[in-house]
Parts: sequence; C-alpha cells; structure tokens
Amino acid sequence: GDSVTQMEGPVTLSEEAFLTINCTYTATGYPSLFWYVQYPGEGLQLLLKATKADDKGSNKGFEATYRKETTSFHLEKGSVQVSDSAVYFCALRHPLGGNTPLVFGKGTRLSVIA
Amino acid sequence: EPEVTQTPSHQVTQMGQEVILRCVPISNHLYFYWYRQILGQKVEFLVSFYNNEISEKSEIFDDQFSVERPDGSNFTLKIRSTKLEDSAMYFCASSGDQPGYNSPLHFGNGTRLTVT
Repeated sequence: GDSVTQMEGPVTLSEEAFLTINCTYTATGYPSLFWYVQYPGEGLQLLLKATKADDKGSNKGFEATYRKETTSFHLEKGSVQVSDSAVYFCALRHPLGGNTPLVFGKGTRLSVIA
Repeated sequence: EPEVTQTPSHQVTQMGQEVILRCVPISNHLYFYWYRQILGQKVEFLVSFYNNEISEKSEIFDDQFSVERPDGSNFTLKIRSTKLEDSAMYFCASSGDQPGYNSPLHFGNGTRLTVT
C-alpha cells in the first residue's frame, strides 16, 4: 500500500541555518503531496502542497518540489527561525474519488536554537 | 478563520471503560475524519465519514470503534472498551464544502487519551 518515509529526528539547528527534511513516498498513480506542521500544543496545519510532478509548493519561506523520478518531496528552508520549532509531517493523498484520506509519515521534530 | 474544535484536550480512563471523544468540524464541511498518533509513531488514518455514513476505514477501526454525527454539528468517536494500546493522541479533521472535490483537511488540536 501507499506509504511515506521521513528522515528520523530530532533535528536541531541554530537560527539562520539551512534546513532539509527528507521525504520519500511509495504510491500507485499520481498522488498529491503535502507537508503539515504541528506547533507545540496545537493541531496539524497544512504548510504547503504540490499536486503534480515538478510542482513546487511554498509557504512561510519553506519549499518542496514534487520529484516523480526520485519519488521525493523534501522540505527546505534557507534560514530557520526559533519560531519554526515544530514537528513536520510529510503526507500523500490520492486525488481521485473525492476527499480521500491522507497517509502520513512519522514526523520529524525540528528544534531551532538561538 | 473557522476551525475544528476537539474536547476534551486530555482524557484519562481506565482499561475496559467506554470513552467518547468529541469534535465540532467546520460548519460547512461535508467530510469528517479521525486519525490517531501513538506517541513517537506516525499519524494513522482511522475512519472517514460522509453523508451520515462511514466512507472508508482502516484496519485499526475495528468493532470497538464507532463514529456518529448525532446532531449536525458534533462528530464523535466512541471506543467501547478501551485497551492500554488505545492510548494516543486522536485528531479530528474535516474538509470539503463541495462533494467530490479533494479539498484540504483542517485538523483540530487533538485529544490525548490515556488508558490506565
């Protein structure tokens, strides 16, 4: 079945460092890909998404590009801030059939220190 | 911005007891979901609900689980006889103000269930 694999955390970075969180997926067809973020004490929030190959999703300085050839959707940010400390989840979803469930990775905890 | 609300934020129950987790989805949404996250593990899909019936469920969602939308605003998850391994964070989500269109999921803050 469909699955998502993320790099193990926790990831600890200094403020203004470059961030990469790796995500690869296994799925039939052409899923949509997502990054969700969970700040401490809060629910899951959609950070960005991409719906087809070579699409780049971006939001709040974060970017991820849908790479079909490597089945990857790595999350990047050029300069992290303390406020980016959170758990990041990669997820996929099949677009057909209407409102299909999300399949999540395990999540990667990011801690940014000043 | 409208949001999904879940109550309680933390529920402690004894093994074998029934528990009901409550959610108020976004008011014009049509699709509702429950997910859970056991500590340190991935977020897992439990069930989706549309048009007053279950549309999809995972193998986790066995006979001990049930969902209900009793009054047009609440969406509840019931666990009939809780087990220690049911301890997890349970997330409710809703999506879709139009049937058949794959719109983003909006999640609540979760209910942490602890079974002792």
